Amino acid sequence: EAGVAQSPRYKIIEKRQSVAFWCNPISGHATLYWYQQILGQGPKLLIQFQNNGVVDDSQLPKDRFSAERLKGVDSTLKIQPAKLEDSAVYLCASRRTGASGDNEQFFGPGTRLTVL
Amino acid sequence: AQSVSQHNHHVILSEAASLELGCNYSYGGTVNLFWYVQYPGQHLQLLLKYFSGDPLVKGIKGFEAEFIKSKFSFNLRKPSVQWSDTAEYFCAVFNDYKLSFGAGTTVTVRA
Repeated sequence: EAGVAQSPRYKIIEKRQSVAFWCNPISGHATLYWYQQILGQGPKLLIQFQNNGVVDDSQLPKDRFSAERLKGVDSTLKIQPAKLEDSAVYLCASRRTGASGDNEQFFGPGTRLTVL
Repeated sequence: AQSVSQHNHHVILSEAASLELGCNYSYGGTVNLFWYVQYPGQHLQLLLKYFSGDPLVKGIKGFEAEFIKSKFSFNLRKPSVQWSDTAEYFCAVFNDYKLSFGAGTTVTVRA
């Protein structure tokens, strides 16, 4: 099966600009996650969707970050305006639907964001 | 606060040496445990996972991990590493509907 797709792979912007990332999860995966991975750290969950509804966005900096999954498939994550500390790799992951007890997440290649 | 701790930031070893990476977590209750690997330039891939049953779990590429509930640990092992095992390794714990990662351990295997 095809994996989780993300684009772009790399993005360089100046601070105060806006940026958007796109994710296409594995077909049939109802749960979608966005993570932020700062250099030297493990991924940190930003937001979790179940179909097109938000399950957990407690760690999303909502003053500048937003995410949507309008049709329950693709998702976009936006940062507006970007700050220097937003430089990181943004990972998208998805999980199978209705797989009781199986909480394995499948990760995309990530988008490396550099804010200058 | 709940956390996942990986004991080593960077491990350097020679081919054929044995590898053990420590992972401890502080969550109570039922947990699912994972080790992910990230090879240079590639995305996170699952090495192995523990949900229930036999606490000794075997994964891909000769890796194994042992869940010790009393010690809140899930250490990763490989008896004989290869140069191709050079990568970053992440321990992760699924609890309360969230997956939390450790900071990662960079493993460098010298030929």
